[in-house]
Amino acid sequence: ETGVTQTPRHLVMGMTNKKSLKCEQHLGHNAMYWYKQSAKKPLELMFVYSLEERVENNSVPSRFSPECPNSSHLFLHLHTLQPEDSALYLCASSQETRNTIYFGEGSWLTVV
Amino acid sequence: SQQGEEDPQALSIQEGENATMNCSYKTSINNLQWYRQNSGRGLVHLILIRSNEREKHSGRLRVTLDTSKKSSSLLITASRAADTASYFCATDAILSGNTGKLIFGQGTTLQVKP
Repeated sequence: ETGVTQTPRHLVMGMTNKKSLKCEQHLGHNAMYWYKQSAKKPLELMFVYSLEERVENNSVPSRFSPECPNSSHLFLHLHTLQPEDSALYLCASSQETRNTIYFGEGSWLTVV
Repeated sequence: SQQGEEDPQALSIQEGENATMNCSYKTSINNLQWYRQNSGRGLVHLILIRSNEREKHSGRLRVTLDTSKKSSSLLITASRAADTASYFCATDAILSGNTGKLIFGQGTTLQVKP
């Protein structure tokens, strides 16, 4: 139990669906992150939120839309995804950036 | 371009042996961290070493950092089957405009045979 909870753990969606991934951290951190992990590729940073403000967007396609309503919650809204978007999506948090990151268990996404 | 690169990509050893993994990076850093990931799970932080430190220990883990060579190594002594996992280094690079993000390497997959 890392203090970062992701739901759902597994998601299968069609290319025309709209779904969301949810992340909640119970660590009192003020920075949250979305990472994408695909087979045989390095962990890719997608978004960084610091004090609920997006401070980094690593050229992620607009079909991925993050939302950070408060410092404890982070969402990733998914719309018209492609099969190549199938991956493990990891949420993480830290106290300030530049510090140790605590990861959730991830959400396995399969786009069919 | 990728900041951290681990070497080897895969390592298979017998229980009780030591495992050494290396990480090289390209730019100056504030700190370097090592993480572990069991198959299909989230990453777990193992150890952080700051740029002004040369060596750090935590239980059976020993991390070294050579900033002149831009490299780090993770040594796991007396390995156990439960150490089977992927190990990643992550660097907090000193880059213009860097918001403090960690950049991960591709990882080393370690298999410890009982």
